[in-house]
Amino acid sequence: GNSVTQMEGPVTLSEEAFLTINCTYTATGYPSLFWYVQYPGEGLQLLLKATKADDKGSNKGFEATYRKETTSFHLEKGSVQVSDSAVYFCALSDSGGYQKVTFGTGTKLQVIP
Amino acid sequence: DTAVSQTPKYLVTQMGNDKSIKCEQNLGHDTMYWYKQDSKKFLKIMFSYNNKELIINETVPNRFSPKSPDKAHLNLHINSLELGDSAVYFCASTQGTGAYEQYFGPGTRLTVT
Repeated sequence: GNSVTQMEGPVTLSEEAFLTINCTYTATGYPSLFWYVQYPGEGLQLLLKATKADDKGSNKGFEATYRKETTSFHLEKGSVQVSDSAVYFCALSDSGGYQKVTFGTGTKLQVIP
Repeated sequence: DTAVSQTPKYLVTQMGNDKSIKCEQNLGHDTMYWYKQDSKKFLKIMFSYNNKELIINETVPNRFSPKSPDKAHLNLHINSLELGDSAVYFCASTQGTGAYEQYFGPGTRLTVT
């Protein structure tokens, strides 16, 4: 079956530091890949996505590139802010049929001033 | 305008009771989901409905029964509540099949005492 593996948190960074959250996946076919973010006390919301190999998703300064050869979709941001403190989920969806999304375990990011 | 809403936001109840959580989306989406998020933030899909038809039914105790009266609503009824049912339950919706974004509700925090 499909699976998503994320680096364990929590990750603690100082403001303006560089962020990388690793994500690798196992899937059959050609899944679409997502990063969702969950702020405290809220539901998940889509941060970015990529639907095919070599696509780069980007939003709010965050980026991730769909790497089929390494089955990875690492999340990066050049300069984090305190407001980026949240839990980040990597996810994939099946390439066919009804969209069943497989989520990673989430990585908590804490940015300190 | 709230896209995906859930009621109640908090639910505290005793073991053995029966309770329901309601979800509504005003996005015109065809597919809705229930997820369970445990205390470690692990997110697990429970059910999915497409146009009122059950399409995903993961390994969930049969004490949990989803009901979709129409494609804008997906409710979750839980019988004989147990301590292990304590979690945050999220409703989500999506446009259909393919790499579409899932829209999450704010969650219902269920505490069973």
